Amino acid sequence: QVQLVESGGGLVNPGGSLRLSCATSGFTFSDYYMNWIRQAPGKGLELISYINSSATTIFYADSVKGRFTISRDNAKNLLYLQMNSLRAEDTAVYYCAKDRHPYYYDSVGFDYWGQGTLVTVSA
Amino acid sequence: DIQLTQSPSFLSASVGDRVTITCRASQGISSYLAWYQQKPGKAPKLLIYAASTLQSGVPSRFSGSGSGTEFTLTISSLQPEDFASYFCQQLSAYPTFGQGTKVEIK
Repeated sequence: QVQLVESGGGLVNPGGSLRLSCATSGFTFSDYYMNWIRQAPGKGLELISYINSSATTIFYADSVKGRFTISRDNAKNLLYLQMNSLRAEDTAVYYCAKDRHPYYYDSVGFDYWGQGTLVTVSA
Repeated sequence: DIQLTQSPSFLSASVGDRVTITCRASQGISSYLAWYQQKPGKAPKLLIYAASTLQSGVPSRFSGSGSGTEFTLTISSLQPEDFASYFCQQLSAYPTFGQGTKVEIK
């Protein structure tokens, strides 16, 4: 069965860095766009980055552009999010999620999500 | 960015009620709209994609409709397990989410 498991969250000082990982299984990872979504406490959902199957197309939300870097390792079925220059407003649960359709179709939604990993930015 | 506005933001309803949530887009998005359900402390769950296609395993009491700029999610007969928050998402451009609708027990 499809599984996505995030790791790497924690407490970090403002200006610090963290690297999140998303370990996947149960599907052909290299066929799918992958996404990072975050949810601040009590707030809504924000797609912060996505990456296409070959890592040649990457987008970032303006809120993280220049500070966060998404990457993937198709040989290891892993997705990453390198987060630098962290701010208090980056405090959130971070989810990785899989596109429902493989890369040769339009994206229509995210059908599998990880359990989330909490990132807290505070001194 | 394409903005999505959900209404209402909060809804109080009883078991067995028919519930409708609306999602309006700031510009036309064809049928590139998805709906999610989220329970406290859990990841969102895909309910509907392409505006009206039911995701596998989702009960048939959930349905979606609309195209262009106005969309609806309907729960035909609210069940106890449906009390949750619901989010719409557009995928016509860089994906964005609505602000959410919380469905609580009346």
